[in-house]
Amino acid sequence: QVQLVQSGGDLVKPGGSLRLSCAASGFTFSDSFMTWIRQAPGKGLEWLAYISTSNSYIDYADSVKGRFAISRDNAKKILYLQMNTLRAEDTAVYYCARAPFGSHSAFDFWGQGTTVAVAS
Amino acid sequence: EIVLTQSPDTLSLSPGERATLSCRPSQSVGATYLAWYQQKPGQAPRLLIYGANSRATGIPDRFSGSASGADFTLTIGRLEPEDFAVYYCQQYDKSPYTFGQGTKLEI
Repeated sequence: QVQLVQSGGDLVKPGGSLRLSCAASGFTFSDSFMTWIRQAPGKGLEWLAYISTSNSYIDYADSVKGRFAISRDNAKKILYLQMNTLRAEDTAVYYCARAPFGSHSAFDFWGQGTTVAVAS
Repeated sequence: EIVLTQSPDTLSLSPGERATLSCRPSQSVGATYLAWYQQKPGQAPRLLIYGANSRATGIPDRFSGSASGADFTLTIGRLEPEDFAVYYCQQYDKSPYTFGQGTKLEI
């Protein structure tokens, strides 16, 4: 069955960096676009970034463009989110998800979420 | 950016009743590119409906989606206790791929 297992969340100081991981199994990872979404405490969902199967297409929300970087290792079946210059407002639960039909695709499977807290 | 406005913010119903949730985009969204998700406390969202009216794998047929003009609707035909949750619509037509603010369905 499709599984997305996330790791990497932590408490980090403002201005710090963190890398999140999302390990995929149960499907052909290299055939699927992947995406990151976050949810601030008590708030709704915010889409952050998309990556195509071969890294040729990457798209970001304005709120993270220039600070966050999405990447993938198809051989290891892992999706990453490198987060730099973190701010208090980046505090959230971060989810990875699969977008099976490209960028114009609903997110059909989600990871369990990992918590990032940015505070001094 | 396409803003999705969901209504109502909170819907109070009882098991066995019918729920109707709405999602209105600030600009045109192709019907093929509208999804609905369910989220329970402490859990990741779960895809219910994609393409405005197609049920995702394993979703019971009491959940249905529709489009009328520019608006989208999620209907839950007969509420079960496990359906009480927060529901989000999402457009994946144009970047950024935005979500509505959510409708909380409570008992």
